[in-house]
Amino acid sequence: ETGVTQSPTHLIKTRGQQVTLRCSSQSGHNTVSWYQQALGQGPQFIFQYYREEENGRGNFPPRFSGLQFPNYSSELNVNALELDDSALYLCASSLAMGATGELFFGEGSRLTVL
Amino acid sequence: RKEVEQDPGPFNVPEGATVAFNCTYSNSASQSFFWYRQDCRKEPKLLMSVYSSGNEDGRFTAQLNRASQYISLLIRDSKLSDSATYLCAVNPPGGSYIPTFGRGTSLIVHP
Repeated sequence: ETGVTQSPTHLIKTRGQQVTLRCSSQSGHNTVSWYQQALGQGPQFIFQYYREEENGRGNFPPRFSGLQFPNYSSELNVNALELDDSALYLCASSLAMGATGELFFGEGSRLTVL
Repeated sequence: RKEVEQDPGPFNVPEGATVAFNCTYSNSASQSFFWYRQDCRKEPKLLMSVYSSGNEDGRFTAQLNRASQYISLLIRDSKLSDSATYLCAVNPPGGSYIPTFGRGTSLIVHP
């Protein structure tokens, strides 16, 4: 296994609510990336954190926000949930600086918005 | 044109067959390339990295064609357990290590 853990694994919310997803990165990894994967699609990049700073952001609105903690774990927050936010949210850890760019994914958090 | 494109399939092949997938990318300066395997309702897992002229690992061979801007994955002697979605991922230039994924190609290996 990758050593990347995510919680919760499944959750159901209603439109307008807020959600927080959590991720613990693999030991020794200082970079965490979040992806959204809708059914039948590839993972879409949301943002990346490197040493507690946002290091890149994809084409997602500001209601998607995140942070990274000193131990390199991370949170993804989504406000004002919409039906289209229903997806698998994947956290991936990696080692920057000299790394090869490979990502190690957690099992994901499956969000359903009703 | 999408940054990374894949034929979604599904590719339906019998056991023992050889199957190949392609993945095209739009940025000619892309640095590194990967194939990930994703089982149904599971997370993607790295299958192979693709550097310079390609890579081989047992029954799996990955090739990079920079001139035509595509990577390929060849699976020989397909097994039932190879049934999965195969995602290609492309890292942009500049060393940001933020790969863009294709939508994946579904492979179904049948007896």
